[in-house]
Amino acid sequence: KAGVTQTPRYLIKTRGQQVTLSCSPISGHRSVSWYQQTPGQGLQFLFEYFSETQRNKGNFPGRFSGRQFSNSRSEMNVSTLELGDSALYLCASSLAPSGGAYNEQFFGPGTRLTVL
Amino acid sequence: DAKTTQPPSMDCAEGRAANLPCNHSTISGNEYVYWYRQIHSQGPQYIIHGLKNNETNEMASLIITEDRKSSTLILPHATLRDTAVYYCIVRVGAGGGADGLTFGKGTHLIIQP
Repeated sequence: KAGVTQTPRYLIKTRGQQVTLSCSPISGHRSVSWYQQTPGQGLQFLFEYFSETQRNKGNFPGRFSGRQFSNSRSEMNVSTLELGDSALYLCASSLAPSGGAYNEQFFGPGTRLTVL
Repeated sequence: DAKTTQPPSMDCAEGRAANLPCNHSTISGNEYVYWYRQIHSQGPQYIIHGLKNNETNEMASLIITEDRKSSTLILPHATLRDTAVYYCIVRVGAGGGADGLTFGKGTHLIIQP
């Protein structure tokens, strides 16, 4: 079974631009979560989608948004990029959200975004 | 979610058991202890989780103290490929697929040949 895939793997943008990152979950997984990883702040939760609906959101400004499609693929968008948005953006998929048996999160390799 | 405290780094000789401690003194009765690890340039990988009983799987063992204020992840026979940052996470509920995982700084485990 293929793992979580993220595209692109590397991206360079300039301040003020916007960017869209893509995540394809493991086949059959319906929950997708996004995280930002920086050397200073570590791994931080951005948001989580299940059945095309955002279920939870971390403490990030409105410039960070996302969506999920009917095939469970997800995209995240960052508008008006700032230097501080340079980070590794990780996507994780799981069978379903919490509420029952443990649903392990499987992480993708990430997209390395550099903002100049 | 309860806060966790881990040593920033640890060394372990290849072939020996690696014991990674985690303090979670403010853990609540309905909070589970999860361990993930992140090998350089890869996404985090789930290792194990538990509530109050000790747990073992093919990767590791998790020992939780009786008062649940601390736990230890044990890698029984560490290999060079176990060099990674190990994260101890405490959160409510058995589900790990939503609500987001709160990662701390973790422990950088270095396996020495």
